[in-house]
Amino acid sequence: KAGVTQTPRYLIKTRGQQVTLSCSPISGHRSVSWYQQTPGQGLQFLFEYFSETQRNKGNFPGRFSGRQFSNSRSEMNVSTLELGDSALYLCASSFGRTNTGELFFGEGSRLTVL
Amino acid sequence: SQELEQSPQSLIVQEGKNLTINCTSSKTLYGLYWYKQKYGEGLIFLMMLQKGGEEKSHEKITAKLDEKKQQSSLHITASQPSHAGIYLCGAEGGSEKLVFGKGTKLTVNP
Repeated sequence: KAGVTQTPRYLIKTRGQQVTLSCSPISGHRSVSWYQQTPGQGLQFLFEYFSETQRNKGNFPGRFSGRQFSNSRSEMNVSTLELGDSALYLCASSFGRTNTGELFFGEGSRLTVL
Repeated sequence: SQELEQSPQSLIVQEGKNLTINCTSSKTLYGLYWYKQKYGEGLIFLMMLQKGGEEKSHEKITAKLDEKKQQSSLHITASQPSHAGIYLCGAEGGSEKLVFGKGTKLTVNP
């Protein structure tokens, strides 16, 4: 069974640009959640999607957005990039919303903003 | 909102030594999860604890949940270089999928 796939793995952007990250969950999983990981703040919840609907959203500005497609694949977008957006962005999938804890993580997309 | 504090922040041990990592919650724990992360990679699920007093083991790793203390501990027996990484505890955070501690970085020297 293929794991959670995130693309791209690494990317470098400059301030003011925008970026789109992609996440393909494990086949059959309908819930996708996104996290931002930085050395200072640790892992912080961005948002969760289930059956194409955003279910929960963390405390991030509106520049951070996402969506989920009918095949459960998800994308997140960050517009008007700031230096502080440099982070490892992790996507996790689970079968349903009730399985809150056992998340299956991708290897992440490391974003560097110059 | 719920916060999880892990201690120690980092740990360096000699191969073969035992060690313990703690995770303390600011609120009542209804479920506590332990994950391991290799540097710059995704998290790997280790185990889930749901009941006070519950204890689970996987190979040489044992986790316990003390609901009264709102605390969980992760114990590694006879550590090996393969145990090195960042250990994170997570808990159901209400509206958030999971709230995580900041992690404990473990280094095991051969």
